[in-house]
Amino acid sequence: GAGVSQSPSNKVTEKGKDVELRCDPISGHTALYWYRQSLGQGLEFLIYFQGNSAPDKSGLPSDRFSAERTGGSVSTLTIQRTQQEDSAVYLCASSTLAGGVYEQYFGPGTRLTVT
Amino acid sequence: GDSVTQMEGPVTLSEEAFLTINCTYTATGYPSLFWYVQYPGEGLQLLLKATKADDKGSNKGFEATYRKETTSFHLEKGSVQVSDSAVYFCALPAGGTSYGKLTFGQGTILTVHP
Repeated sequence: GAGVSQSPSNKVTEKGKDVELRCDPISGHTALYWYRQSLGQGLEFLIYFQGNSAPDKSGLPSDRFSAERTGGSVSTLTIQRTQQEDSAVYLCASSTLAGGVYEQYFGPGTRLTVT
Repeated sequence: GDSVTQMEGPVTLSEEAFLTINCTYTATGYPSLFWYVQYPGEGLQLLLKATKADDKGSNKGFEATYRKETTSFHLEKGSVQVSDSAVYFCALPAGGTSYGKLTFGQGTILTVHP
């Protein structure tokens, strides 16, 4: 079946512009996560959704970052007034219960470059 | 807080060599443990998991055993192939939750030469 998809795969933007990153989770997965992968910081958690609500937003680095999820499916991560330090690969994952454990399945990521 | 420490890389091996990538953790309780792999240009894939002490996870010739006494989950493979070249991440659910965010180690780059 279809895995987690993300779009765009690559995004180049100018400093100060807003960007939207999209995630389509695996059908039926109620949990959805955003992570950021950068050379200096490794893999960092950003936000977790259960259905349409976000019980854990603790990883969002500033109020320029926000995310929403609609219909318990697609999620959008928005970065306002982008800065060069926002350059990274943004990964989305969705989760299902397997053998008593929630396994996370990752999308291919969106590579964001802020110039 | 919960954390994962992986051996520093990069690791360079010849084909058919034995592989060990060390992973130790600090956690609340006894969380599930995971190894993820990231092949060049691709996203993270779950390689294997273990849900309780003394469990052995295995997949594609890789194995890891959940050692409560040493708080370790070392990844091993008896004979690596060029196609195993990738970045390997050890991970656990942070804060004792099974459904929440994953905390990852820093990743170990493995390069296998023919």
